[in-house]
Amino acid sequence: AQSVTQLDSQVPVFEEAPVELRCNYSSSVSVYLFWYVQYPNQGLQLLLKYLSGSTLVESINGFEAEFNKSQTSFHLRKPSVHISDTAEYFCAVFNFGNEKLTFGTGTRLTIIP
Amino acid sequence: NAGVTQTPKFQVLKTGQSMTLQCAQDMNHEYMSWYRQDPGMGLRLIHYSVGAGITDQGEVPNGYNVSRSTTEDFPLRLLSAAPSQTSVYFCASSYVLQGTQYFGPGTRLLVL
Repeated sequence: AQSVTQLDSQVPVFEEAPVELRCNYSSSVSVYLFWYVQYPNQGLQLLLKYLSGSTLVESINGFEAEFNKSQTSFHLRKPSVHISDTAEYFCAVFNFGNEKLTFGTGTRLTIIP
Repeated sequence: NAGVTQTPKFQVLKTGQSMTLQCAQDMNHEYMSWYRQDPGMGLRLIHYSVGAGITDQGEVPNGYNVSRSTTEDFPLRLLSAAPSQTSVYFCASSYVLQGTQYFGPGTRLLVL
């Protein structure tokens, strides 16, 4: 069965410091990869996605993620975080083998002023 | 363009009561899904639909029913509420199964 692992349930980071949120998945077939963000008391919204092509994808607010096929990872990074980045971040994987979308358990990012 | 809307935003039920969570989308998406979000467990798929008249079970379907009579609407019914169904429920839609999911704002349900 496919699994998506977000190793850190909570990540506290000082404002303007860099951050990496980790995501690993298990799949031997083709996948699409997504990062969703959930701001407090809201639904999830797409942050960025990898479908094909360049393995480095970027969002409009400075996040980036790199697809690493050999390590089956899709870690999310930002070089300098802001208070407004406080949210929960979910990694999701669509598996073309079983045509299922699986979400990770989420990482709560807390920015320390 | 309202996107995905859900009603109600909050609901308190007593054990054994029934209710329907409403979900509607105005993007003409074929695919719609219901998830529940619980602390430490992420999002778990309850039921989904690939088009009007077609529904299927997800990971945690027990205690829930769905129907899809129109492209726009995908209600979730709790037949006899139990405390284990206390959760936040999200409806989502997408143009294609592997595409970006558009989520509603959620319904927070407490079952006493």
